[in-house]
Amino acid sequence: GENVEQHPSTLSVQEGDSAVIKCTYSDSASNYFPWYKQELGKRPQLIIDIRSNVGEKKDQRIAVTLNKTAKHFSLHITETQPEDSAVYFCAASDSNYQLIWGAGTKLIIKP
Amino acid sequence: ETGVTQTPRHLVMGMTNKKSLKCEQHLGHNAMYWYKQSAKKPLELMFVYSLEERVENNSVPSRFSPECPNSSHLFLHLHTLQPEDSALYLCASSQLGQGFYGYTFGSGTRLTVV
Repeated sequence: GENVEQHPSTLSVQEGDSAVIKCTYSDSASNYFPWYKQELGKRPQLIIDIRSNVGEKKDQRIAVTLNKTAKHFSLHITETQPEDSAVYFCAASDSNYQLIWGAGTKLIIKP
Repeated sequence: ETGVTQTPRHLVMGMTNKKSLKCEQHLGHNAMYWYKQSAKKPLELMFVYSLEERVENNSVPSRFSPECPNSSHLFLHLHTLQPEDSALYLCASSQLGQGFYGYTFGSGTRLTVV
């Protein structure tokens, strides 16, 4: 079955700098890759997603890239702000629409 | 109310108690999920219901018993729990098929077993 690995487990960046979180997946049939943000004490919320027919997608300061050949996808956050501090989860959807999750990355924005 | 609603938000129960967690989705989705979130396993899938039929049971102990009476409601019945069952229990829903855009989560129930 599908396996998703996420790195790093913790990422600390200076406010204003960029942050990159990377995930790899094992099932070449996976075709949907969402990213979720979970702030402390709150629910995971979808922030951006990408499908396998697209290589890159942007939404303001957030972007996701997908490399199907290498089977990895990444979340890029530019001009980081204190409100970006959270745990970020990547996921890949298998043929049954079940999301397989990465272990999460705790992003810390230093003032 | 829109989205996915979970009640109660917090629950403290003894190991001999019986309690139930409730989840309701107002999105017209056709699948619902229970997840356990703890420090050791950030997002651990417990049960999946698709069109009110259970399609996944990830080796969850029998002290957890799910119920899905219709496509909008999901329950998790708890009995004789252990302290290690203390965690955040998240409900989620999704629309399987062409309209799939991941899951929408509820705010969770923070469960403490004493």
